[in-house]
Amino acid sequence: GAGVSQSPRYKVTKRGQDVALRCDPISGHVSLYWYRQALGQGPEFLTYFNYEAQQDKSGLPNDRFSAERPEGSISTLTIQRTEQRDSAMYRCASSSQGDREGYEQYFGPGTRLTVT
Amino acid sequence: GQNIDQPTEMTATEGAIVQINCTYQTSGFNGLFWYQQHAGEAPTFLSYNVLDGLEEKGRFSSFLSRSKGYSYLLLKELQMKDSASYLCAVGDGGFKTIFGAGTRLFVKA
Repeated sequence: GAGVSQSPRYKVTKRGQDVALRCDPISGHVSLYWYRQALGQGPEFLTYFNYEAQQDKSGLPNDRFSAERPEGSISTLTIQRTEQRDSAMYRCASSSQGDREGYEQYFGPGTRLTVT
Repeated sequence: GQNIDQPTEMTATEGAIVQINCTYQTSGFNGLFWYQQHAGEAPTFLSYNVLDGLEEKGRFSSFLSRSKGYSYLLLKELQMKDSASYLCAVGDGGFKTIFGAGTRLFVKA
């Protein structure tokens, strides 16, 4: 079956613009995570959804970052007034249950964001 | 604070055995994960440990000691395709997964 998909795969934007990154999880997966990954580093947790409920957003760097998952499936990560320091790979992952049960996370291919 | 430590790089020979260590300090704990990430690709799940001891899965084994905050990933009969980054990650007791920076493994012929 289809894995996790993300769009766009690459996004170049000018400083100050808003961007919206989309994640389409594996069908039926209730848990969805957003991460940011710098080159040569592990994924950095941003936020977590259980169905449509955002249950942890402690990793969002500041209030320019927001995420939603209104129908418990597709999720959007929005960055407002982008800054050069926002340039990174943004990945989402889904799992059939949350990490409390130890279910593996399936990662998407990521969106490479470049802010010029 | 939350901290996960693992070696930055390791080199091993094809056919050999390599052990990648991970130590962690987190506010809570609900399991330790290992993921493999090839260059330019997404991480893929390898193993999960929540109880002390060794979990074996084919050529890969993972060990956990909760009292020591320590885990290792053991790769046997190394193949060239095992050249990748190996990420140690800890569930922090809530919904957050904390990843280490990863260990880049180079397998040479």
